[in-house]
Amino acid sequence: DAGVTQSPTHLIKTRGQQVTLRCSPISGHKSVSWYQQVLGQGPQFIFQYYEKEERGRGNFPDRFSARQFPNYSSELNVNALLLGDSALYLCASSLGSGTDYGYTFGSGTRLTVV
Amino acid sequence: AQTVTQSQPEMSVQEAETVTLSCTYDTSESNYYLFWYKQPPSRQMILVIRQEAYKQQNATENRFSVNFQKAAKSFSLKISDSQLGDTAMYFCAFMITNFNKFYFGSGTKLNVKP
Repeated sequence: DAGVTQSPTHLIKTRGQQVTLRCSPISGHKSVSWYQQVLGQGPQFIFQYYEKEERGRGNFPDRFSARQFPNYSSELNVNALLLGDSALYLCASSLGSGTDYGYTFGSGTRLTVV
Repeated sequence: AQTVTQSQPEMSVQEAETVTLSCTYDTSESNYYLFWYKQPPSRQMILVIRQEAYKQQNATENRFSVNFQKAAKSFSLKISDSQLGDTAMYFCAFMITNFNKFYFGSGTKLNVKP
């Protein structure tokens, strides 16, 4: 079975540009969460979606948005990129929402803003 | 505020020896789960071990065990018979019951030397 798939694996963007990151969850998983991992730090929660509805939002500016599609895949969009947005963006999928479910992480998208 | 502190940025251990990674956390919640995740150079976060806060018995998974001290809000990871494949970043995390996000520490880089 395929794991959590994230694309692209690496990305370089210029300040002020917009970027879209994609995540395909494990087959049967209905929840997708997004995390930002800045170099030298632990991941920080950005969003969770379950059954196409937003179930949680972290302390990130409105430049960050996300959505979940009917096939449960998800996109994370970041507008007006700043140098500080350079990070590894991780996606995690789970069967449901909450602590009763195991979370499987993808290998992330490395975003570099220059 | 929910916080996780890993006070050891980097540790080294000889192959076949035992090593303990420290973690303290802070939360006013009483129901939560604690986790240790491993992040090798492949970047994927891999679950090592999980502990329910309401359980007094420490969790074990093969060579990995935890020492959970709820009153002290301490959750250390012991790796026995260390193997070269254990070389990775290790992150301590918790999730409040019925909430949807992990709180991660800043990580400990573990080097297993032959």
